[in-house]
Amino acid sequence: SQQGEEDPQALSIQEGENATMNCSYKTSINNLQWYRQNSGRGLVHLILIRSNEREKHSGRLRVTLDTSKKSSSLLITASRAADTASYFCATDLTDKLIFGTGTRLQVFP
Amino acid sequence: EAGVTQSPTHLIKTRGQQATLRCSPISGHTSVYWYQQALGLGLQFLLWYDEGEERNRGNFPPRFSGRQFPNYSSELNVNALELEDSALYLCASSVSGTGYGYTFGSGTRLTVV
Repeated sequence: SQQGEEDPQALSIQEGENATMNCSYKTSINNLQWYRQNSGRGLVHLILIRSNEREKHSGRLRVTLDTSKKSSSLLITASRAADTASYFCATDLTDKLIFGTGTRLQVFP
Repeated sequence: EAGVTQSPTHLIKTRGQQATLRCSPISGHTSVYWYQQALGLGLQFLLWYDEGEERNRGNFPPRFSGRQFPNYSSELNVNALELEDSALYLCASSVSGTGYGYTFGSGTRLTVV
């Protein structure tokens, strides 16, 4: 089974709204990373949060990590149509990154 | 700076044939990772190469193999192709190890007919 699972599987919002995606995982991690994938192309690294960090910001992105609950969330504020993509969390197990199942985000103009 | 490059972009093979996929990492990156993204199955970890050595492999049969060359580029070979091998194969590179973000290539779309 997957190490990371995202929730929801799909999310549709209007431009300007905020989008929140959640990720749950099963084992201890070194860090957790979020990636974006547009239309079956390569993934783009968005942000990395280490296991001793609780929150991190990058532009319109805010990531939180709760190691006690083994969960993370990605918040995209003031979304744009260009944010339409699939978003994956990935957990660093030292010898590999394990990707979650992904959230498909659709932002309507 | 050039990104991670993969070739070919698309590959069509017949069941039972062999496929070779290539990846060139970002300059200065010594680690190369391979992932398979089949429809409905998410990204599955295949292989990790670092400094020319295989460091880890995922739960795939031995007909999936590869190597890393002295210039850190990498090949993924899939022997005895099966229909279920049809997928997007993604290569990523990073500064040695997993403690940094990966940079992905655009992938090779392998179709087995």
